[in-house]
Amino acid sequence: NAGVTQTPKFQVLKTGQSMTLQCAQDMNHEYMSWYRQDPGMGLRLIHYSVGAGITDQGEVPNGYNVSRSTTEDFPLRLLSAAPSQTSVYFCASSLSLAWVNTEAFFGQGTRLTVV
Amino acid sequence: TQLLEQSPQFLSIQEGENLTVYCNSSSVFSSLQWYRQEPGEGPVLLVTVVTGGEVKKLKRLTFQFGDARKDSSLHITAAQPGDTGLYLCAGGGTGGFKTIFGAGTRLFVKA
Repeated sequence: NAGVTQTPKFQVLKTGQSMTLQCAQDMNHEYMSWYRQDPGMGLRLIHYSVGAGITDQGEVPNGYNVSRSTTEDFPLRLLSAAPSQTSVYFCASSLSLAWVNTEAFFGQGTRLTVV
Repeated sequence: TQLLEQSPQFLSIQEGENLTVYCNSSSVFSSLQWYRQEPGEGPVLLVTVVTGGEVKKLKRLTFQFGDARKDSSLHITAAQPGDTGLYLCAGGGTGGFKTIFGAGTRLFVKA
């Protein structure tokens, strides 16, 4: 019963470095998304995907790229890390497009610090 | 821009007390969800409400969706230390799936 698995759990980057946050789900969900969570600001949508090969921007996409080559995996790439990207990142998946009417499953999060 | 405002931001109460937290917006939502998040974990869905005026109960938790589908409340009866966590509301806009999250209410229940 893995659900949504995110790696790594913690990461420290230097300004300008790039990295990829991994997200995998084993529930055959079509809809996957990435959020960042900052104190006092709730969860903000970065990018989302409605199926393999289809991605779109959310509320705060700048500085991030995504791809969806398989149903299971939805990696998030930081192109050139900045201190403003220090945050906790969550990946989520749900069964259908209308995910607000079905349960969304979240990973445990990746705590990223950019120095 | 749709916004969800949650109040209070922080609540510290004694075990056995009742409490209500609120989620308000000026926008209409097609549905609204409540999640609970514990430290170091991702949010976990508690309930989804989709009909204006709808009331759902989950043991000691009562959720209500406003008649105009712009607001919601979560009432906890006889709070327990296990209820401690961050409570988030999330609204689904009409015609889309870019869900909006509130900033959350952080609840601490003291034994």
